[in-house]
Amino acid sequence: QSALTQPASVSGSPGQSVTISCTGTTIDVGRYNYVSWYQHHPGKAPQPLIYDVSKRPSGVSNRFSGSKSGNTASLTISGLQAEDEADYYCSSYTISSTWVFGGGTKLTVL
Amino acid sequence: QVQLVESGGGVVQPGKSLRLSCAASGFSFSRYALHWVRQAPGKGLEWLTLISYDGSNEYYADSVKGRFTISRDNSKNTLYLQMNSLRAEDTAVYSCGGSWDFYLDVWGKGTTVTVSS
Repeated sequence: QSALTQPASVSGSPGQSVTISCTGTTIDVGRYNYVSWYQHHPGKAPQPLIYDVSKRPSGVSNRFSGSKSGNTASLTISGLQAEDEADYYCSSYTISSTWVFGGGTKLTVL
Repeated sequence: QVQLVESGGGVVQPGKSLRLSCAASGFSFSRYALHWVRQAPGKGLEWLTLISYDGSNEYYADSVKGRFTISRDNSKNTLYLQMNSLRAEDTAVYSCGGSWDFYLDVWGKGTTVTVSS
């Protein structure tokens, strides 16, 4: 049950787009379309942004989009805004019926 | 208002036990699978365990299997986490979450557990 691999940090200027990758294996990301993404501001509850690889929960901005290719999923944030600065986590269902998170990515809006 | 509120955290000595609770309101508790997730200081989120909507199935991360037990009481809209044989590396903020689909759409803010002598 190794954590999914995410870059430790990414950054971008307001209005730009950034993409965060999430690499797993054939027993999790590569096997199921059950990848989700969460935004986490420290001290607050994480908020779901994407589920089932590319679906957005009601109320989530369409600036957030998800995709997957093979064992790697990606979250793209377009039109960066200052309030997007947060930690981002991917998660996947696994072959063992367990779940696994990525190590997290800190997004800095320059 | 959809809400999950954790309680039961505190300071505990290594080797001791602690039970966390998670009280739910504002959604169909008995129709949701429920999870515990933790975040150690300076670290990322770690998924720990899941219990099915009716309590018939439980799944655990290797890091807590055999030491932690998840349970639920649908009559009380409450989720529990019994933590035994606690170690220093179990020090973290513990949060509960709910999933209807394959994602956590309901989260609590967490309760802090510190394992220290």
